[in-house]
Amino acid sequence: DAKTTQPPSMDCAEGRAANLPCNHSTISGNEYVYWYRQIHSQGPQYIIHGLKNNETNEMASLIITEDRKSSTLILPHATLRDTAVYYCIVSRTSGSRLTFGEGTQLTVNP
Amino acid sequence: GAVVSQHPSRVICKSGTSVKIECRSLDFQATTMFWYRQFPKKSLMLMATSNEGSKATYEQGVEKDKFLINHASLTLSTLTVTSAHPEDSSFYICSARVPTSTDTQYFGPGTRLTVL
Repeated sequence: DAKTTQPPSMDCAEGRAANLPCNHSTISGNEYVYWYRQIHSQGPQYIIHGLKNNETNEMASLIITEDRKSSTLILPHATLRDTAVYYCIVSRTSGSRLTFGEGTQLTVNP
Repeated sequence: GAVVSQHPSRVICKSGTSVKIECRSLDFQATTMFWYRQFPKKSLMLMATSNEGSKATYEQGVEKDKFLINHASLTLSTLTVTSAHPEDSSFYICSARVPTSTDTQYFGPGTRLTVL
C-alpha cells in the first residue's frame, strides 16, 4: 500500500470548517483513499473513502486532486466532539490489512 | 455503519495468567477480522488477520503461540494473550470487514489490558 504523509497536528475553531490534508504521491491506480478517526481511548471510526471522485456523506467531504497524489478531508462545521486523531490510509480495499501512520491530531477549540 | 463490539472493555490481570478478548460483529457476518495493538501515544499496529474457519495470519514479529486467535464463527473472533507479562499491557482493538461493494472495515471500541 502507498505511504501517506499528514501534518502531526492542526487546530480549528468550533463552528468553522476543518480541512485536513494528506499526501499520497505513490498511490496506485486501484488504491482507494480512506479516512478514519480515533477519539481518545476508543477504536477508530470510519469516516469516508474515495477512489478519484470527490465524495460527501453525513460526516465529511473528501476532495481528491485530479492526479490523486493528495486529498483533503473537510469537516464543514467542526464541533468539540470532532477532536481526534485523523488517519489517512491508502489501500486497495478497506477490507484488506490497513497500515496506520501517525495521523493528524485535530483539536477543535471553543 | 456496522457495529463491532469487544469484551471486556478493560481487564487487569497478574503476570503469567492468560486473558481472552472477544470481538463480535453484531449486525453482519464477518469472514475476516483483524486484531491491532496500540501502545500509548502510538499508532495502531496490525497483529494478525483472522479468517473464519482457518488459521490466522500473523504479522512479522508477532508470536503466534503467545497471541492465540480463534475465529470459529462468522460473528466471533477471540484473542487470547497467553502467559501475559507487563510488556503485553496495551490497547487491543479488533476490526471486521463488511463484505459489501465498498468492503469497508469497522472497528471495535478496544480492550485496555493491564498486566501487573
